[in-house]
Amino acid sequence: GENVEQHPSTLSVQEGDSAVIKCTYSDSASNYFPWYKQELGKGPQLIIDIRSNVGEKKDQRIAVTLNKTAKHFSLHITETQPEDSAVYFCAASLARQLTFGSGTQLTVLP
Amino acid sequence: GAVVSQHPSWVICKSGTSVKIECRSLDFQATTMFWYRQFPKQSLMLMATSNEGSKATYEQGVEKDKFLINHASLTLSTLTVTSAHPEDSSFYICSAPRTGTSARSYNEQFFGPGTRLTVL
Repeated sequence: GENVEQHPSTLSVQEGDSAVIKCTYSDSASNYFPWYKQELGKGPQLIIDIRSNVGEKKDQRIAVTLNKTAKHFSLHITETQPEDSAVYFCAASLARQLTFGSGTQLTVLP
Repeated sequence: GAVVSQHPSWVICKSGTSVKIECRSLDFQATTMFWYRQFPKQSLMLMATSNEGSKATYEQGVEKDKFLINHASLTLSTLTVTSAHPEDSSFYICSAPRTGTSARSYNEQFFGPGTRLTVL
């Protein structure tokens, strides 16, 4: 089955700096790669996603890149703000089923 | 975006009792829903796939007789934790994909807010 690895497990950045979270996946057939933000005690919220036929996608301060050959994808958050502090999960999907990475606790220091 | 609700948001029960958790898609139909379990500071682990009109499929290691799933309609799936024990205490989250219109369905999944189960 699919295996998704995510790094780093914790990340602290100063407000205004950029944050990068990286994931690798094992199944080359996976074709959908969402990123979720989870705040304490809440369900995951989709923040951005990318499909296998696209190499990069951007939405305001958030961007995701996908390298299918290397089987890795990354989340980039620019101009970080304290409200970006949360746990971020990457996932890989094939036929609707999601496999999640282990999560990254992002802390944005004011 | 589509909305998925869960009820209750939290529940505390005594060991040995059963607890039912509801997952509803509010503004779209979901023939499939997924149930996840999340322990503190850990990732989401898929427990089972709920299919409307047929039996749920369970992931390896998940007891189907303990975690009963019923996909009652195109907008409702329920998870019943039977004879709950303290080790079942966890955060249970459901999700529902909305089928895309393209032939190759890239299905965006919408997550519920989760249900915190505490078994005493």
